Amino acid sequence: GEDVEQSLFLSVREGDSSVINCTYTDSSSTYLYWYKQEPGAGLQLLTYIFSNMDMKQDQRLTVLLNKKDKHLSLRIADTQTGDSAIYFCAISYSTGKLIFGQGTTLQVK
Amino acid sequence: SAVISQKPSRDICQRGTSLTIQCQVDSQVTMMFWYRQQPGQSLTLIATANQGSEATYESGFVIDKFPISRPNLTFSTLTVSNMSPEDSSIYLCSVGRQGTNEKLFFGSGTQLSVL
Repeated sequence: GEDVEQSLFLSVREGDSSVINCTYTDSSSTYLYWYKQEPGAGLQLLTYIFSNMDMKQDQRLTVLLNKKDKHLSLRIADTQTGDSAIYFCAISYSTGKLIFGQGTTLQVK
Repeated sequence: SAVISQKPSRDICQRGTSLTIQCQVDSQVTMMFWYRQQPGQSLTLIATANQGSEATYESGFVIDKFPISRPNLTFSTLTVSNMSPEDSSIYLCSVGRQGTNEKLFFGSGTQLSVL
């Protein structure tokens, strides 16, 4: 079945890099996403990667995809206090349906 | 990105009543979806809102409890019927603009509390 797993919590110091990891089981996904959710807010699309890509960089964000291991990661360079939030990885199918991980709470000290 | 307006942003409702949530998009979109986020949990897809036809529901969700309308390509409603405290959640609509599942955006959500 479809399953997406994330670690629940990450704490980093301001200025350090953050790496949030995600694993999934279904390899038929088309796009893989990272969303950010701040308290009381909806989901903000941060970045996404097509399933036939290995890496995507967008300013401070780097997404790495290892299709063989079904592993997705999000690296945030120079982490700031404003980056504190819950980060969700999600995989999508051609129908547009999204399967979400449990979310990783990023705490920036 | 798509501009998605969801109303209401939050509501407190009595057990047994119903609430209709609206999702308005600033341009025509082919894909519209409704998700539920229970307290401290991740998001779960309720249904796909199909324009001009009945919504497609995921396992565990039924039309009688969550009726959905989608009269055109920019608007959809989700009704939470006969509410109980277990329905207290954030409800979010999601849209795909380009006719593919690239770039799926979310509204700001409706925070529902049922007493």
